Amino acid sequence: DTGVSQDPRHKITKRGQNVTFRCDPISEHNRLYWYRQTLGQGPEFLTYFQNEAQLEKSRLLSDRFSAERPKGSFSTLEIQRTEQGDSAMYLCASSPGLADNQETQYFGPGTRLLVL
Amino acid sequence: TQLLEQSPQFLSIQEGENLTVYCNSSSVFSSLQWYRQEPGEGPVLLVTVVTGGEVKKLKRLTFQFGDARKDSSLHITAAQPGDTGLYLCAGAPYCLFAGANSKLTFGKGITLSVRP
Repeated sequence: DTGVSQDPRHKITKRGQNVTFRCDPISEHNRLYWYRQTLGQGPEFLTYFQNEAQLEKSRLLSDRFSAERPKGSFSTLEIQRTEQGDSAMYLCASSPGLADNQETQYFGPGTRLLVL
Repeated sequence: TQLLEQSPQFLSIQEGENLTVYCNSSSVFSSLQWYRQEPGEGPVLLVTVVTGGEVKKLKRLTFQFGDARKDSSLHITAAQPGDTGLYLCAGAPYCLFAGANSKLTFGKGITLSVRP
């Protein structure tokens, strides 16, 4: 399977704990996105990487959130001091970049986080 | 802020019926993507429409992009239980230039249930 993969698929943690999620994009895709989806809502943009550079962060991304893509391949999203409001599905998407002024993003299966 | 409104929010129909659902905005998008999402999984891309007025067909699914590139519709002919799922539309920003990212703005989705 050469699609976007995410690990873990599910995570249950207690309030105040730190969690880290991993995303492996499609090989040679230089763009990587993180989104968050809560129940009954569509995904909301969190942050964007082009290669290893984090070029945009949403205002949704508080100081407790940090994302990295150290070698321009896989990415990690860490949440420190988790709160119950962080419970959501965290989605990663990758793309090969712009082609003919459009870009197609391919999503991974997501990591579902539950903060107790 | 770009917003996408999808309607209806919920739809339950009998197998074999036809249906049309909508994705509307007051903003112009460079492209619009439709995804289908199963519970606990990430969104799976169905189609990308780019040109105003464009119509794309995917088997029994017909997608149309509005002339002004602000809205889109999805028509399903002879719906089947396998069409059940959450249908999300997502718009990419209008002003794309080299280096810009196309973070997607999603609607809340349409929950479709097709009864056998």
